[in-house]
Amino acid sequence: SQKIEQNSEALNIQEGKTATLTCNYTNYSPAYLQWYRQDPGRGPVFLLLIRENEKEKRKERLKVTFDTTLKQSLFHITASQPADSATYLCDPSNDYKLSFGAGTTVTVRA
Amino acid sequence: NAGVTQTPKFQVLKTGQSMTLQCAQDMNHNSMYWYRQDPGMGLRLIYYSASEGTTDKGEVPNGYNVSRLNKREFSLRLESAAPSQTSVYFCASSEQPGDDNEQFFGPGTRLTVL
Repeated sequence: SQKIEQNSEALNIQEGKTATLTCNYTNYSPAYLQWYRQDPGRGPVFLLLIRENEKEKRKERLKVTFDTTLKQSLFHITASQPADSATYLCDPSNDYKLSFGAGTTVTVRA
Repeated sequence: NAGVTQTPKFQVLKTGQSMTLQCAQDMNHNSMYWYRQDPGMGLRLIYYSASEGTTDKGEVPNGYNVSRLNKREFSLRLESAAPSQTSVYFCASSEQPGDDNEQFFGPGTRLTVL
């Protein structure tokens, strides 16, 4: 069956460092992969979408890569700030009936 | 623009009771979705409506029904609530169905079933 896995541990990093989050998927081939941010007590907010024919995409301090051979996406937050502390969800979709990954919680220490 | 709104924000039910979660969007989106979020499980799709007048099952539809009342509104009904349905429920919408469309989420409804 189709499966999505994100970093299971929470990620704690020092302000100014780069946070790298992993999203792995198995048993299917998504055409798109989206990343969302979720703050406590709130709904997710869209950040980036990358297509299967795009290797990398950037938006401000965010960078996403999509490796269809490894079946993996990496999400990087460069020059991290305490305001980046949140849970980040990936959604590798080949069919919009599929659900999201469980998310990785990032805490950035000042 | 309010975006996606959900009511109620919090609800406590007893086992066997029924209730309807309401969702509305003011972005003129065609597609709407209902998810549940449980610790460690991520967001799981319950039902979705690709366009007005259509609804389809998602990953975890058992125990739920939905109604796409009009283009703006998409409700989720629990006919006989069970403790396993204790969760946070999110409604979302997108301009079109499909994986390349950004979804806009509501603030969520926190439901506890005793």
